[in-house]
Amino acid sequence: QVQLQESGPGLVKPSQTLSLTCTVSGGSISSGDYYWSWIRQPPGKGLEWIGYIYYSGSTYYNPSLKSRVTISVDTSKNQFSLKLSSVTAADTAVYYCARGRDYGDYSDPADVWGQGTTVTVSS
Amino acid sequence: DIQMTQSPSSLSASVGDRVTITCRASQGISNYLAWYQQKPGKVPKLLIYAASTLQSGVPSRFSGSGSGTDFTLTISSLQPEDVATYYCQKYNSAPQTFGGGTKVEIK
Repeated sequence: QVQLQESGPGLVKPSQTLSLTCTVSGGSISSGDYYWSWIRQPPGKGLEWIGYIYYSGSTYYNPSLKSRVTISVDTSKNQFSLKLSSVTAADTAVYYCARGRDYGDYSDPADVWGQGTTVTVSS
Repeated sequence: DIQMTQSPSSLSASVGDRVTITCRASQGISNYLAWYQQKPGKVPKLLIYAASTLQSGVPSRFSGSGSGTDFTLTISSLQPEDVATYYCQKYNSAPQTFGGGTKVEIK
């Protein structure tokens, strides 16, 4: 049973870079069968898709965040990471990592999610 | 980019009522539509994918339909444990946009 766990600082100062890691257990991130996502949810608001990465390193980002987002994968540690630069209070949210199945020609939605980690942007 | 619009944004219904939530895509997405349930303070849970396929373990009172641009999530008999916010999501290609959510409460 694969499990995902987010980790990283809970408090980030404005203009700095938010860095989070998602550790995958119970399965290999190197499997070519999945994509690995980041999703966030500001307090009291809805879900916002940030982006995803395949183990090969191919990435896809939300156009509204693309200039500030980097998602990377570390197969040796079975982890993938999120970096969001130049943060403001609007980036305060619960950040989730998630996994979806990829079939090549099509994919399934993310069906395994981490518990989420709260990141507050404040000085 | 394709926008996903849900309606209503909230609803209140009695236990046993039939509840319907709609989701509209600004362009056709075939049947690449998922529904998630998020209970207060919890992680979103995948309910339905491919517009109408129930995820394993999801009660049969939940159903989904639609294709192209118009989709619905139906709860055939609302139960107290169904109090949650429901989100649709297009997932055929990036960006995997979510709808704004529908908050379901018990009257």
